[in-house]
Amino acid sequence: EDQVTQSPEALRLQEGESSSLNCSYTVSGLRGLFWYRQDPGKGPEFLFTLYSAGEEKEKERLKATLTKKESFLHITAPKPEDSATYLCAVLRNYKLTFGKGTLLTVNP
Amino acid sequence: EAQVTQNPRYLITVTGKKLTVTCSQNMNHEYMSWYRQDPGLGLRQIYYSMNVEVTDKGDVPEGYKVSRKEKRNFPLILESPSPNQTSLYFCASSLSQSSYEQYFGPGTRLTVT
Repeated sequence: EDQVTQSPEALRLQEGESSSLNCSYTVSGLRGLFWYRQDPGKGPEFLFTLYSAGEEKEKERLKATLTKKESFLHITAPKPEDSATYLCAVLRNYKLTFGKGTLLTVNP
Repeated sequence: EAQVTQNPRYLITVTGKKLTVTCSQNMNHEYMSWYRQDPGLGLRQIYYSMNVEVTDKGDVPEGYKVSRKEKRNFPLILESPSPNQTSLYFCASSLSQSSYEQYFGPGTRLTVT
């Protein structure tokens, strides 16, 4: 059974304080790993897709990396508007399995 | 504007009363999917469709039905809703089965009493 574990469950940062979120997974035949952002009461918003170990992608203050067992979402100098729940998901065949997410709060 | 729409956004119903949640996308996407999101359990896939007339079960399909008669629409049907189907439901679509940049709808909050 595919498993996706995200840590920490919640993270509180001060504005400008960089940190990383972790997504560890066990899945055979991984076809892709995805990061999404979800604001309260809204649908998830796509951020990144990573396909192979060693791959990295960046968008503004966010950088996603992938190894054979885990992915990291690095947040550099976060701002209060980065506060959200960050979800990762793994793809096998045509099914996406999501982790439970990390709730990020960035205080001004 | 490219979007996924769901209706209704909020619904309170009683056990056993059949209901349908509609989902429509205007991006000509082939792949569509339904998820439910529950506290402590995260997002779980209910059903997905790779194209018109092609659907398959996700992780939690029990108690749900879907159909894909048109490319743009993917309704979720609860034939006999039960309280354990109280949840937040999301529809999503992506360009194809090999492109998993999924666009999510705004969600439907369902309460079954």
